[in-house]
Amino acid sequence: QSVLTQPPSVSAAPGQKVTISCSGSSSNIGNNYVSWYQQLPGTAPKLLIYENNKRPSGIPDRFSGSKSGTSATLGITGLQTGDEADYYCGTWDSSLSAPVFGGGTKLTVL
Amino acid sequence: EVQLVQSGAEVKKPGESLKISCKGSGYSFTSYWIGWVRQMPGKGLEWMGIIYPGDSDTRYSPSFQGQVTISADKSISTAYLQWSSLKASDTAMYYCARLKGNIAGGWFDPWGQGTLVTVSS
Repeated sequence: QSVLTQPPSVSAAPGQKVTISCSGSSSNIGNNYVSWYQQLPGTAPKLLIYENNKRPSGIPDRFSGSKSGTSATLGITGLQTGDEADYYCGTWDSSLSAPVFGGGTKLTVL
Repeated sequence: EVQLVQSGAEVKKPGESLKISCKGSGYSFTSYWIGWVRQMPGKGLEWMGIIYPGDSDTRYSPSFQGQVTISADKSISTAYLQWSSLKASDTAMYYCARLKGNIAGGWFDPWGQGTLVTVSS
């Protein structure tokens, strides 16, 4: 059981937009920055978003992040088949004094 | 280019010991925390622990405290994850990742390519 809750799967058609939610509490998302990671099949996770809504260099602006209260959202527009991957949210949990991850969301581009 | 390169896949028997490595390059290895993350087959990411190579300050997830040992040799820019007695349930992919920002609220970037550990009799 992950500390952060994500939907197990989402799907959308190529070119469409999708959002992935990440729900936590005041001890984690509510008072700390959120990051997002993309894990393509058979590869290591890769940073997509940090400090709630910042993109590292090289990450297209089709990917966006937001946070409100104890929840965060990853948005992906102009979906491509190459976006099919597992997506994880992450943050710090002040009660656990540890980084925590969501359970992951599998994105299918139909 | 900032890079973390991990050691190769391992196949071990229950009860055996193992030490896997993660070599950093392209940045000041002693200035950033390095974390270890477990991913069991078909499952999500679990944070195991973290080390600051500059002074070897190490923190463990309660779930992994006493089960593994994290260390670093700053002279060769390498972090390690080791087991003294492997169990079948240790079968997983293990990733190292550099922590940027503060330890509370930072983010992991980049990640190593992963080391697959298989424990089977």
